[in-house]
Amino acid sequence: DQQVKQNSPSLSVQEGRISILNCDYTNSMFDYFLWYKKYPAEGPTFLISISSIKDKNEDGRFTVFLNKSAKHLSLHIVPSQPGDSAVYFCAATTVTGNQFYFGTGTSLTVIP
Amino acid sequence: KAGVTQTPRYLIKTRGQQVTLSCSPISGHRSVSWYQQTPGQGLQFLFEYFSETQRNKGNFPGRFSGRQFSNSRSEMNVSTLELGDSALYLCASSPGPRSYNEQFFGPGTRLTVL
Repeated sequence: DQQVKQNSPSLSVQEGRISILNCDYTNSMFDYFLWYKKYPAEGPTFLISISSIKDKNEDGRFTVFLNKSAKHLSLHIVPSQPGDSAVYFCAATTVTGNQFYFGTGTSLTVIP
Repeated sequence: KAGVTQTPRYLIKTRGQQVTLSCSPISGHRSVSWYQQTPGQGLQFLFEYFSETQRNKGNFPGRFSGRQFSNSRSEMNVSTLELGDSALYLCASSPGPRSYNEQFFGPGTRLTVL
């Protein structure tokens, strides 16, 4: 049972434009969310996170938005750069829990 | 600081065999988690160890087991391999159980079961 879903397996964006990656979850107990970026032949690396007490968190070109009522979060990358081309995973957990639940990933391609 | 290392990086086994994968966490990290990544399934949580104790286990059969040593290094074992066990196995280390923003992944071990 996939509790975290990324329904877009791939996304292509022109360099300089905005990339929006989406993630939905089903478990209302989740209260902490993370995005990871993964290059081929490397492990995922932490990108940005958000707690359920916030609806937005920003770090440079990366912003994560959380809509708790819709059980939806999104990652915005502005402006997109070719080096952003990677697979992006969203993950969710509970602050008191021990387990991360990951989505299936979205492969982002930024076209120069 | 050296990153998370996993050995071996690639492994080919046949059905019915068993396999042991190793993970060395970042120095000072005491929590190690294991994940299985397959196409279409994303990363599936296997188990987490902290101070040599398994704290949580994902929804995998008993053929999947693990352990952690006193130096925080961890191993996972898969017995009676099946074709469906072919996957990338990732381990991640963090300073403690809930250091969410400080979870670092290794490059993974690519297991192929023939």
